[in-house]
Amino acid sequence: GAVVSQHPSRVICKSGTSVKIECRSLDFQATTMFWYRQFPKQSLMLMATSNEGSKATYEQGVEKDKFLINHASLTLSTLTVTSAHPEDSSFYICSASRVDWEKLFFGSGTQLSVL
Amino acid sequence: GQQLNQSPQSMFIQEGEDVSMNCTSSSIFNTWLWYKQDPGEGPVLLIALYKAGELTSNGRLTAQFGITRKDSFLNISASIPSDVGIYFCAGQGTSGSRLTFGEGTQLTVNP
Repeated sequence: GAVVSQHPSRVICKSGTSVKIECRSLDFQATTMFWYRQFPKQSLMLMATSNEGSKATYEQGVEKDKFLINHASLTLSTLTVTSAHPEDSSFYICSASRVDWEKLFFGSGTQLSVL
Repeated sequence: GQQLNQSPQSMFIQEGEDVSMNCTSSSIFNTWLWYKQDPGEGPVLLIALYKAGELTSNGRLTAQFGITRKDSFLNISASIPSDVGIYFCAGQGTSGSRLTFGEGTQLTVNP
């Protein structure tokens, strides 16, 4: 199956700092990437949808100025959590697809802990 | 937005038993997907269903796309300890579009 690489797998940072998470499609060109957030024992909640070369579409309640998404190429999307606070601690997961695929493939996730 | 109701929320079974879980939706989906998630990992695709009524197997896993296009089930036969994890159903409207996830089924298999 298609491979989606996500880095880092785990990050611990101080409150007020910014953290960047990368999502790469390794063996295909991803026209669309999705960013999810998952709290313990809960389902995945879609944060935003990003299409290569255009602005991301954010879900209701997700602050676009806090969660900056860049999809500069067909193989890379980044999520930057700006001025992170403890309540931003969560598991962040990206997924990627091609326009002609019904399937979505997921990265391995990033556990963010803000102290 | 769209909601998927997934049940049961959790299951505790003995090794060798069969397992069944299902998802229902108030809306129609064109694709149903079943994922498994291990702790600290992203979801891994198990089975994808594209047509109403479709029954698809992947080893000991079998899933069906409901006739009404509003439901799907996943069966696991002869469970083994490595089946432990959280299973999510997901519905998709059009190709490559966003997924709507169920709440997940936490499966525990006792040796």
